[in-house]
Amino acid sequence: DGGITQSPKYLFRKEGQNVTLSCEQNLNHDAMYWYRQDPGQGLRLIYYSQIVNDFQKGDIAEGYSVSREKKESFPLTVTSAQKNPTAFYLCASELGGAGDTQYFGPGTRLTVL
Amino acid sequence: KNQVEQSPQSLIILEGKNCTLQCNYTVSPFSNLRWYKQDTGRGPVSLTIMTFSENTKSNGRYTATLDADTKQSSLHITASQLSDSASYICVVRGYQKVTFGTGTKLQVIP
Repeated sequence: DGGITQSPKYLFRKEGQNVTLSCEQNLNHDAMYWYRQDPGQGLRLIYYSQIVNDFQKGDIAEGYSVSREKKESFPLTVTSAQKNPTAFYLCASELGGAGDTQYFGPGTRLTVL
Repeated sequence: KNQVEQSPQSLIILEGKNCTLQCNYTVSPFSNLRWYKQDTGRGPVSLTIMTFSENTKSNGRYTATLDADTKQSSLHITASQLSDSASYICVVRGYQKVTFGTGTKLQVIP
């Protein structure tokens, strides 16, 4: 069953704690992305990776970190430096060409208590 | 600045009726335009993708149009069903950059 998975679906964190969101894909896609979605706003790009061991900052990278040690995995860490981390986080992957479609995971809703 | 604006923000229609959602963009240079459907609490799912040379593309009851000269796109939904209730997001890819619209929230009522 091919696809892109995210875990957990819901995550609660206390202020000051770091937390890592998981994203895995078995589509053999080269490129992977992390987005943040807030009510009334379009998706905003946090980080992206076009190849293993390489990643680039997106528009709102401050307070976040990523790694890409394997093609299949692109975890996102929300650090305590992120001032307003409560949001819906979406991971996506694509084969790598400009004409390709991004396939999205089911999302993780992070709530900071 | 690259922008994608969608209208209306929200829409309520009766089951079986048709509706049209609008997308205006200022992304330049233009590579392609996609429409996604996003159910509440889920990830977006691609409906259509159009390049500069394509004027229309259909996916079942969904038909997207593109006017690259006026930088406008529309998504027409025919014979709406309750399962069409979702947010519809217009996404425009420029050179190495993807810009997302804020979406139109559609509610189909019986």
